[in-house]
Amino acid sequence: LAKTTQPISMDSYEGQEVNITCSHNNIATNDYITWYQQFPSQGPRFIIQGYKTKVTNEVASLFIPADRKSSTLSLPRVSLSDTAVYYCLVGDIPSSASKIIFGSGTRLSIRP
Amino acid sequence: GAVVSQHPSWVICKSGTSVKIECRSLDFQATTMFWYRQFPKQSLMLMATSNEGSKATYEQGVEKDKFLINHASLTLSTLTVTSAHPEDSSFYICSAMPPGQLHSPLHFGNGTRLTVT
Repeated sequence: LAKTTQPISMDSYEGQEVNITCSHNNIATNDYITWYQQFPSQGPRFIIQGYKTKVTNEVASLFIPADRKSSTLSLPRVSLSDTAVYYCLVGDIPSSASKIIFGSGTRLSIRP
Repeated sequence: GAVVSQHPSWVICKSGTSVKIECRSLDFQATTMFWYRQFPKQSLMLMATSNEGSKATYEQGVEKDKFLINHASLTLSTLTVTSAHPEDSSFYICSAMPPGQLHSPLHFGNGTRLTVT
């Protein structure tokens, strides 16, 4: 099981770029890295997923170094609505979906 | 695509009664769904894996007779909290993954807030 470690909380301001790093030293060869966003009283929402190098979509970028032991979620020009908890998950779907563990997540607070 | 719906979004019940929570995959068939519980300011904890047409697999420490899971169709899984007590008050979330898609991310419902009085 690939355990993940993230900062408990982060603060930033509107318009800034925010980078949240996740450590996953025990990542397995078949594991993918997936990031979710969760607002209070809502289910987690998929943000981005990657295996190696860099992945970019309309809301975020995901940077994964060659050793894959960590990953960084990059949120460009954050706004107040990006205040949420962000979870980094590591695992192989579907074979080990039940073994994917939610870590503590990072509570991101954006200030005006 | 890949929408997962939960119902109800919130429910209040009296201690000793049972409450059923539904999880539906709206635009795909899900042979496997997952049920989580989340207490305030804490992370999601996997309770059980729901398998269509077979018994659910419960995580260690989760009472299968208290949290009844039924996955009778490819688009519906239900979680019934039996003889609910105030300590069962929590946020319950389900997830599912579209079949046949390697490495497809899990898709989550919007959760059900259960309050037991």
